[in-house]
Amino acid sequence: KNEVEQSPQNLTAQEGEFITINCSYSVGISALHWLQQHPGGGIVSLFMLSSGKKKHGRLIATINIQEKHSSLHITASHPRDSAVYICAVSLYNTDKLIFGTGTRLQVFP
Amino acid sequence: NAGVMQNPRHLVRRRGQEARLRCSPMKGHSHVYWYRQLPEEGLKFMVYLQKENIIDESGMPKERFSAEFPKEGPSILRIQQVVRGDSAAYFCASSPLRSPGETQYFGPGTRLLVL
Repeated sequence: KNEVEQSPQNLTAQEGEFITINCSYSVGISALHWLQQHPGGGIVSLFMLSSGKKKHGRLIATINIQEKHSSLHITASHPRDSAVYICAVSLYNTDKLIFGTGTRLQVFP
Repeated sequence: NAGVMQNPRHLVRRRGQEARLRCSPMKGHSHVYWYRQLPEEGLKFMVYLQKENIIDESGMPKERFSAEFPKEGPSILRIQQVVRGDSAAYFCASSPLRSPGETQYFGPGTRLLVL
C-alpha cells in the first residue's frame, strides 16, 4: 500500500463544475503539498498545508491532521485547469517529499 | 528572480553513455532535491543536497548514479552507463531553508531518452 493515496485517478468535468480531489496518507508528516503538472510541462507548487485550510483564487485546499486526509477543491472549473494534480507529503523530521500517483483532470468546455 | 533552471530540457543517449543533468536553484536557495518520474509513474525522491554536502541519498540507485552540489555552479546528477530503464523525466527542486515542509520550487525537468 502506498504511503500517499489519491482519488480519483482520473476525473472529467464540464466547465463550471465544482471539483474535489482527495488525498490520504498513512505516515507522520510535517506538511502536505498540492502540486500541478501540465502535459509535457513542469511542476508548480499550489499549496503547502500543515493545518486548516488555504485558498488561492478558485483553488481551496483543506487538511485534517487527525484523519490524515486532505482535499483540493476547484470552484467554477475551466478547461485551463486540465492537468495532473499531485499530492505530496513531507515526512516528519525529513526533507524529502513522498508523492501520490496523481489525479488526471480534464475539463471540457 | 529567475526560477529553478534545468538543462538540458531533453537529452538523448545511447546505452552505455553517460548522462549529465544540471540544476541551477533559485537565487538564495541552498537546498536542492532531485526527483525522477518514470513513464506512467509518480514522482520518486532521489537525493537531497546542500552546498558541498549530500544530506539524504536514500532514493538513489546504488550503482551508476551520483549527485553533487559544488560550492560554485549548478547541482549535477550524473548517470553512468545509461540503460533503457533510466529513460524518465528528472526534476530538481530548490528551497531556501532547511525546515521540514518548506515549499520546494520545481524546475521544468530534463527528459532523458536512452536508445
